[in-house]
Amino acid sequence: EDQVTQSPEALRLQEGESSSLNCSYTVSGLRGLFWYRQDPGKGPEFLFTLYSAGEEKEKERLKATLTKKESFLHITAPKPEDSATYLCAVHLPGSGNTGKLIFGQGTTLQVKP
Amino acid sequence: DAGVIQSPRHEVTEMGQEVTLRCKPISGHDYLFWYRQTMMRGLELLIYFNNNVPIDDSGMPEDRFSAKMPNASFSTLKIQPSEPRDSAVYFCASLGFRANTEAFFGQGTRLTVV
Repeated sequence: EDQVTQSPEALRLQEGESSSLNCSYTVSGLRGLFWYRQDPGKGPEFLFTLYSAGEEKEKERLKATLTKKESFLHITAPKPEDSATYLCAVHLPGSGNTGKLIFGQGTTLQVKP
Repeated sequence: DAGVIQSPRHEVTEMGQEVTLRCKPISGHDYLFWYRQTMMRGLELLIYFNNNVPIDDSGMPEDRFSAKMPNASFSTLKIQPSEPRDSAVYFCASLGFRANTEAFFGQGTRLTVV
């Protein structure tokens, strides 16, 4: 069964304390892996798409990396405004896996000043 | 582009009533997904379309739920009759392949069934 698992469920950091969020996946094919940020009461906000192992993408204090089995979202010197729930999703190939976009449960990040 | 547009933003209805949620995807995107989000279960995929054709509705919880996509710019999710356990935030997302693969969400419809 295709599955996406995120860890930890919740993470508390002090401002400036760098850390990483993990997204591991067990799927029979990968068309792309997405990272999102979700603030309370809002829809998930698209951050990155990664396609193949070894790929990296950066945006401000965030850097996403991808291996064959997992992805990491590295947060460097976080600020309180980085507090949110971070979601990862896997886009499965069409035909065999029918093109689904399935999500992990998310990591809720709190950054204290 | 205005992004994915959902309506209404909030819906409060009585048990047994019909509820229709609406979604306008991003122009040119090939896929449209309907999700339900709750604290307990996170984001659950209900149904998705590819080029307006329903591909997988295995996530639709019951026959009370139905979805249509009559054209590339509009989709509906209908619940009839609604029940209190249907209370959740319902999201629509569209996915397309431009310079990069991108998948954007609407702001969601918060449904409360009393």
